[in-house]
Amino acid sequence: DVKVTQSSRYLVKRTGEKVFLECVQDMDHENMFWYRQDPGLGLRLIYFSYDVKMKEKGDIPEGYSVSREKKERFSLILESASTNQTSMYLCASRGRAGGNEQYFGPGTRLTVT
Amino acid sequence: GESVGLHLPTLSVQEGDNSIINCAYSNSASDYFIWYKQESGKGPQFIIDIRSNMDKRQGQRVTVLLNKTVKHLSLQIAATQPGDSAVYFCAEPNTGNQFYFGTGTSLTVIP
Repeated sequence: DVKVTQSSRYLVKRTGEKVFLECVQDMDHENMFWYRQDPGLGLRLIYFSYDVKMKEKGDIPEGYSVSREKKERFSLILESASTNQTSMYLCASRGRAGGNEQYFGPGTRLTVT
Repeated sequence: GESVGLHLPTLSVQEGDNSIINCAYSNSASDYFIWYKQESGKGPQFIIDIRSNMDKRQGQRVTVLLNKTVKHLSLQIAATQPGDSAVYFCAEPNTGNQFYFGTGTSLTVIP
């Protein structure tokens, strides 16, 4: 059974803090993604990675960075958290071959106060 | 610009009835679509997909219909159950491994 896990389900941070969100997949997938999900806006792509140490900006990369040092792990970093980054963050992975669908993690609900 | 997944935001159905969730897209070159289900507090889960060379695809209690003429697809759920209550998205793979997702339709099943 495929599995994408995220390090935290709920997280509360203060403005200005550096925040790390971790995502791990056990499917040996090449592609990994970070989205944020907000009411009325749907899922918006922040960053994605198609291989180790490779990354591409999505639609809303400002205020975020990512790291992919190992194939199974993709980290999202908020360098200096702000209140407008309060959101649900979803990680996903997708293999290069086979089906096109993305497999999602359970999400991390981040609140920045 | 291109967009996908223009949904009605909410839908309420009686338990046992059939549900129809609609999605419109604007890119006529789109050749593949996916439906996801997202239950409260969980990440989206793959339900069913369809390629543009098909008009219809059936799964277990779900059917997806694709009308390329009007750029519309729908997800039909037969005999809707309380466990079907969730937000449903259609999604379109884009170049560069990206996906476009709509805002989704929130389905509520009334017992």
